[in-house]
Amino acid sequence: QSVLTQPPSVSAAPGQRVTISCSGGTSNIGDNFVSWYQQLPGTAPQVVIYDDDKRPPGVRDRFSASKSGTSATLDITGLQTGDEAEYFCGTWDTSLSVWLFGGGTKVTVL
Amino acid sequence: QVRLVESGGGVVQPGKSLRLSCAASGFSFHNYGMHWVRQSPGKGLEWLAVIWHDGSKEFYAESVKGRFTVSRDNSKKTLNLQMNNLRVDDTGVYYCARGMGAGYHLQVYNWGRGAAVNVSS
Repeated sequence: QSVLTQPPSVSAAPGQRVTISCSGGTSNIGDNFVSWYQQLPGTAPQVVIYDDDKRPPGVRDRFSASKSGTSATLDITGLQTGDEAEYFCGTWDTSLSVWLFGGGTKVTVL
Repeated sequence: QVRLVESGGGVVQPGKSLRLSCAASGFSFHNYGMHWVRQSPGKGLEWLAVIWHDGSKEFYAESVKGRFTVSRDNSKKTLNLQMNNLRVDDTGVYYCARGMGAGYHLQVYNWGRGAAVNVSS
């Protein structure tokens, strides 16, 4: 049971939008930056969002994120088959002094 | 560009030890905190440990505290993970990952390709 809660799966048709939520608490999401990671099948994860809402170089603006209080959200618009992957949120927990990952959300393009 | 290459994985019996290493290049290694993260077969990401840029602080997940030790050699740009008293549920792919800077700039940012560890009798 992860401290950061994500839905196990989301799906949408090509071109549509999906939203992935990440719910935590005051000592983690509420107190630290949130990152989001994409893990394509058979590959290592890669960061798609850092500092709550910033995109690394090379990440398309179809990926966006926000944070409010103790919850964070990743949005993927203009969904493509290449976006099929597992997505994880992550943040530091100030009270536990550990890095936390959400349980992961599998995105399926219908 | 940032490159992280893990080595030292393999098959090991329960109760034995294994040492993973991560060779870093393409950035000023001594300026960044470094993490170890693992992924058991078919499961999510599990954070294991972080070491400060200068080695002054280390933090561990409860699941490995007392069994695993993270260390670094900034002169050799190398990160290590000493794993003792291994258990079957330690099986997985172990990733070396770079943080975003020194001190509490801990966001996991760059990842290596991973090293597979199989704990089996």
